[in-house]
Amino acid sequence: EAGVVQSPRYKIIEKKQPVAFWCNPISGHNTLYWYRQNLGQGPELLIRYENEEAVDDSQLPKDRFSAERLKGVDSTLKIQPAELGDSAVYLCASSLGTSGSGIQYFGAGTRLSVL
Amino acid sequence: QKEVEQDPGPLSVPEGAIVSLNCTYSNSAFQYFMWYRQYSRKGPELLMYTYSSGNKEDGRFTAQVDKSSKYISLFIRDSQPSDSATYLCAIINAGGTSYGKLTFGQGTILTVHP
Repeated sequence: EAGVVQSPRYKIIEKKQPVAFWCNPISGHNTLYWYRQNLGQGPELLIRYENEEAVDDSQLPKDRFSAERLKGVDSTLKIQPAELGDSAVYLCASSLGTSGSGIQYFGAGTRLSVL
Repeated sequence: QKEVEQDPGPLSVPEGAIVSLNCTYSNSAFQYFMWYRQYSRKGPELLMYTYSSGNKEDGRFTAQVDKSSKYISLFIRDSQPSDSATYLCAIINAGGTSYGKLTFGQGTILTVHP
């Protein structure tokens, strides 16, 4: 069974440019998460989806970040415009069910460098 | 103060040593406790999952939870060079508006020398 798939693996952009990340969760997993992991830190939740609904986006910087999960499967996270401080690894995870206590499985992440 | 505190290390041990990794937490609503392992340029992968105080063993790994002290530990016996990675404690909030939120520690970088 395929795990969580993310693309691209690496992205280098100049500040003020837009960027988008894509995530395909494990088949059948209802809940999808986007995390940001800064260098030397643990992942921090940006947004959680249960099916198509964003149930927790309190940590998402909504002035420049947006996300969508059309049809409750794949998801896209966008930054526009990117800032130097956005350089980090963006991780997608998925879990089965919507109870909140399900095990989260992570993708390999997208490493973003903003120059 | 962060909700989950973890000593970032780095920790360097010889092959065969016993490794102890620790985290403390402050939120009593935390109910599910996990340890993830993250290799360089990879995503975190789940090692251990427990929801009760006490010990849980899986091969060379033992997870220990003390809810009264808000303290969790991961022990690695007979450590191997392949155990070299960053170890992240993670706790799920089981109460209030943050139900289901997974909060990670900073991660401890472990290197096991042959």
